[in-house]
Amino acid sequence: DSGVTQTPKHLITATGQRVTLRCSPRSGDLSVYWYQQSLDQGLQFLIQYYNGEERAKGNILERFSAQQFPDLHSELNLSSLELGDSALYFCASSANPSGGKRGETQYFGPGTRLLVL
Amino acid sequence: GQQLNQSPQSMFIQEGEDVSMNCTSSSIFNTWLWYKQDPGEGPVLLIALYKAGELTSNGRLTAQFGITRKDSFLNISASIPSDVGIYFCAGQLSGGSNYKLTFGKGTLLTVNP
Repeated sequence: DSGVTQTPKHLITATGQRVTLRCSPRSGDLSVYWYQQSLDQGLQFLIQYYNGEERAKGNILERFSAQQFPDLHSELNLSSLELGDSALYFCASSANPSGGKRGETQYFGPGTRLLVL
Repeated sequence: GQQLNQSPQSMFIQEGEDVSMNCTSSSIFNTWLWYKQDPGEGPVLLIALYKAGELTSNGRLTAQFGITRKDSFLNISASIPSDVGIYFCAGQLSGGSNYKLTFGKGTLLTVNP
């Protein structure tokens, strides 16, 4: 158990809908990262938050957004869903990006499997 | 952008055999990480490497951070059935504001009892 929790574990929805995925980082971790895993693209970085602020963006679509709350949990919002958005979505957390390399090591949650029909 | 080439894509071995897999990059990383992913689960960190040339072990697993900082390998000795899964290498370029991980495509390991 990495200490990172994600809910829900599975999500089935229809095209055009909007969903919210939730992540709670390990206790004390300030950074949260979101990744998408699909068969054709592999694990792709979406976005990073540090202590409530957006730190970096990767291959995140404009239909997707995220935020990190004062209690450090994070939510990933996916809207106007398309069939191609079906994937595993992982959250990872790390202690402190400024705390040296060991503080940057990322630990992953169990993921949310999203199926868009 | 940075790309990682991980090989082999898959391996089918007998229990007790040793396994070796590696990753190469077109550019340097400051940290190399190896994760294992079981079906339907999240990647689990196996070994983290923080210095070029570093050789680190975790039980039957040994990994090295290449001197050029563009490659890393993972060895598994005396494989057992529970080693089955997908192994991913990941590179991290720390410093600045972006600490994202760049992942290889994975090595699918099958162990025949």
